Amino acid sequence: GAGVSQSPSNKVTEKGKDVELRCDPISGHTALYWYRQSLGQGLEFLIYFQGNSAPDKSGLPSDRFSAERTGGSVSTLTIQRTQQEDSAVYLCASSLVGPTNQPQHFGDGTRLSIL
Amino acid sequence: DQQVKQNSPSLSVQEGRISILNCDYTNSMFDYFLWYKKYPAEGPTFLISISSIKDKNEDGRFTVFLNKSAKHLSLHIVPSQPGDSAVYFCAASVAGAGSYQLTFGKGTKLSVIP
Repeated sequence: GAGVSQSPSNKVTEKGKDVELRCDPISGHTALYWYRQSLGQGLEFLIYFQGNSAPDKSGLPSDRFSAERTGGSVSTLTIQRTQQEDSAVYLCASSLVGPTNQPQHFGDGTRLSIL
Repeated sequence: DQQVKQNSPSLSVQEGRISILNCDYTNSMFDYFLWYKKYPAEGPTFLISISSIKDKNEDGRFTVFLNKSAKHLSLHIVPSQPGDSAVYFCAASVAGAGSYQLTFGKGTKLSVIP
């Protein structure tokens, strides 16, 4: 498809389990971002990738959260030992990077529920 | 500390009239501003953006105005249509900060009444 693709669309898991969320960006977009939206809140930045490197990890809330990107394309966000406060919609976005500002384009998100 | 604020959680407008959504920011380093529209169970869809070197940008029915001295931007939708009913998010970033991360407001839910 032409847009950002995220999987799974929904994930329900027990507290303490690890989860992996996947993002497939728009082809040719070198920049990739992860955000999350908790209930009643705005979108909160987690991490930014340029190519395979992550120059900005400042939004990751704890060391239980990690992300990687391979081949300058697909990215996975991993949450270890999940807690109930991790329940949120996790959104991925991608963009071109150039001499002028470029808008970020979002996928439909993964709705994560921790029981 | 909320750097991007959308003070109206909701707005109702009659079909055909103008919708005006407002956004205030506190970080004077922000120099790129965007509006996104979001339907339930979908990701945000990019609508329109404006760079800080401009004070207005227009795209069809959508116009964004930027008042840097007041740290305020607004989105005008004219004429409003029922399909415009959605949650609208204002976002901002600092170009050249090495990250391009967006800081979002909490959104305004627009209802366009037929």
